[in-house]
Amino acid sequence: AQTVTQSQPEMSVQEAETVTLSCTYDTSESDYYLFWYKQPPSRQMILVIRQEAYKQQNATENRFSVNFQKAAKSFSLKISDSQLGDAAMYFCAYRSARYGGATNKLIFGTGTLLAVQP
Amino acid sequence: GAVVSQHPSWVICKSGTSVKIECRSLDFQATTMFWYRQFPKQSLMLMATSNEGSKATYEQGVEKDKFLINHASLTLSTLTVTSAHPEDSSFYICSASKGPDNYGYTFGSGTRLTVV
Repeated sequence: AQTVTQSQPEMSVQEAETVTLSCTYDTSESDYYLFWYKQPPSRQMILVIRQEAYKQQNATENRFSVNFQKAAKSFSLKISDSQLGDAAMYFCAYRSARYGGATNKLIFGTGTLLAVQP
Repeated sequence: GAVVSQHPSWVICKSGTSVKIECRSLDFQATTMFWYRQFPKQSLMLMATSNEGSKATYEQGVEKDKFLINHASLTLSTLTVTSAHPEDSSFYICSASKGPDNYGYTFGSGTRLTVV
């Protein structure tokens, strides 16, 4: 079974600085997707960034980028120029690339609570 | 975009009563929807996978008779908490997939259930 591990329960960053959130996963599959979701105090889950395992190029979305190391099964999120609105719980998630019902469930890590200091 | 509407956003009910939570995909058809439960400051725990027109697939340890899931159409899935007890109080979130793509899932805004 696949597992996702986030070893940093809490992180803090100064406004305008850069912070990296760690995520490792375990799977025997070769094709899958990885995601970072943000959950602010409103508790609405928001997709931050996604990565297809077959792509070697790291995904980027504006101030958000990932460092995807497939062999090491590592998927870290870098937030540049941190803003107060980035304060939230961040979840790393895994999804099999096989399509069909429960096989497409998202497997979440335990989350990292990010605080942004003004 | 892909929008998922979840209602109600919060509900308080008495012990022993049943509560229904709706999850609707507003601008796309969702053959599969997922129901999660989240305790404070914890991760999302998948309860079940809801498949349109067929029985839901429940995760191990989730009581099928307590958490009834119905996915009667391509845009609506419901979760009914039957004979609710205070320990069922939690935050419930649904999500839906547009199909065999790689865009992740769209989540509803969640329902805070309090059983008194």
